[in-house]
Amino acid sequence: QQPVQSPQAVILREGEDAVINCSSSKALYSVHWYRQKHGEAPVFLMILLKGGEQKGHDKISASFNEKKQQSSLYLTASQLSYSGTYFCGTMGGSNYKLTFGKGTLLTVNP
Amino acid sequence: DGGITQSPKYLFRKEGQNVTLSCEQNLNHDAMYWYRQDPGQGLRLIYYSQIVNDFQKGDIAEGYSVSREKKESFPLTVTSAQKNPTAFYLCASSIGRLAGPSSTDTQYFGPGTRLTVL
Repeated sequence: QQPVQSPQAVILREGEDAVINCSSSKALYSVHWYRQKHGEAPVFLMILLKGGEQKGHDKISASFNEKKQQSSLYLTASQLSYSGTYFCGTMGGSNYKLTFGKGTLLTVNP
Repeated sequence: DGGITQSPKYLFRKEGQNVTLSCEQNLNHDAMYWYRQDPGQGLRLIYYSQIVNDFQKGDIAEGYSVSREKKESFPLTVTSAQKNPTAFYLCASSIGRLAGPSSTDTQYFGPGTRLTVL
């Protein structure tokens, strides 16, 4: 089942913060976050494993709440380069498939 | 440079024609995947292959076919049976140990092919 992302779109001014959520109705092993610029390939950001681990690099971090089967992506002090569509991909069960949400369009304006 | 290449970047075909999209990787990955992307729909899995000479249907396999004769190649054929083939097609690969609660394997994507059927 496809994970649900929220919000569908968000507009920020440079320097503002944003949170993007990804929820699943099934038990998950991991959540994978990607960012895609228009017309380009999705670029891998980070993976969150079962266990509530929080990861991050630079000013982008994420958490995974195993009890809620929900992951959140945190973007702090946003930069213009953060603009794009953010996708979460979820992994559960014994197959090799990632199931992706519909994406969250993030626009950062000067 | 290691990576995933897809060709061509843009492809135009007449309705009713079959067309094959190329995907090559030199990352020595065992697993390869094909996704279709439509506006507002996210990424939908067409086919995937965990090993050479083996592949499985994804969520929207109807009207598509694949082959995996070599580890580095996973071509996708869009057949005339696909009712609405105009879309952005993405190929991805992973080491192949994606399953399991402790796996840190993830998928890496090629640049995509935009197919337009006229």
